[in-house]
Amino acid sequence: NAGVTQTPKFQVLKTGQSMTLQCAQDMNHNSMYWYRQDPGMGLRLIYYSASEGTTDKGEVPNGYNVSRLNKREFSLRLESAAPSQTSVYFCASTFLDGNTEAFFGQGTRLTVV
Amino acid sequence: GIQVEQSPPDLILQEGANSTLRCNFSDSVNNLQWFHQNPWGQLINLFYIPSGTKQNGRLSATTVATERYSLLYISSSQTTDSGVYFCAVIANGGSQGNLIFGKGTKLSVKP
Repeated sequence: NAGVTQTPKFQVLKTGQSMTLQCAQDMNHNSMYWYRQDPGMGLRLIYYSASEGTTDKGEVPNGYNVSRLNKREFSLRLESAAPSQTSVYFCASTFLDGNTEAFFGQGTRLTVV
Repeated sequence: GIQVEQSPPDLILQEGANSTLRCNFSDSVNNLQWFHQNPWGQLINLFYIPSGTKQNGRLSATTVATERYSLLYISSSQTTDSGVYFCAVIANGGSQGNLIFGKGTKLSVKP
């Protein structure tokens, strides 16, 4: 039981390059989330998927797209990376009903130069 | 939207000391979690505690939902307790389970 798994752990991009961050969970959770964490701050929501087949914007969605591939997988895409997207990205998952305890992946440290 | 404030922002302790971290929130919540972010950046679940009191070893937490605060107690601190402690909440009626994070308390435990 791996919980929430993110790939890659580290990535360096040049400005304008694109990439996709992958996230998978094996807890049968219905909701999944992408957050970013900048120095000295808590996490801020980029996008979320309340259930398979749905996605919605969070607090800081500009410059990102997401895909809920199936119940297990939720990917985050940067189409044209910018230095302002240098951050640590976390994926999370939870049940929406009842116990809504969220579990996080180990994070992806992204640097855009 | 709901505001989450944590105090103190920074805390330095000698090994063996006790501490209390506070989380205030501006509206009613139906989820509150405490996390420890270790020096390697991993977010570790400490407590899921929308109300009441829980204990896990040297750590305990209390949430008084009616007064909109939660406390995390660390007793007999160890150097491995160092890191950043985050409180995160989901507001009642909040958007689809979105956790709102405080800015954290950075704890340094000296040997």
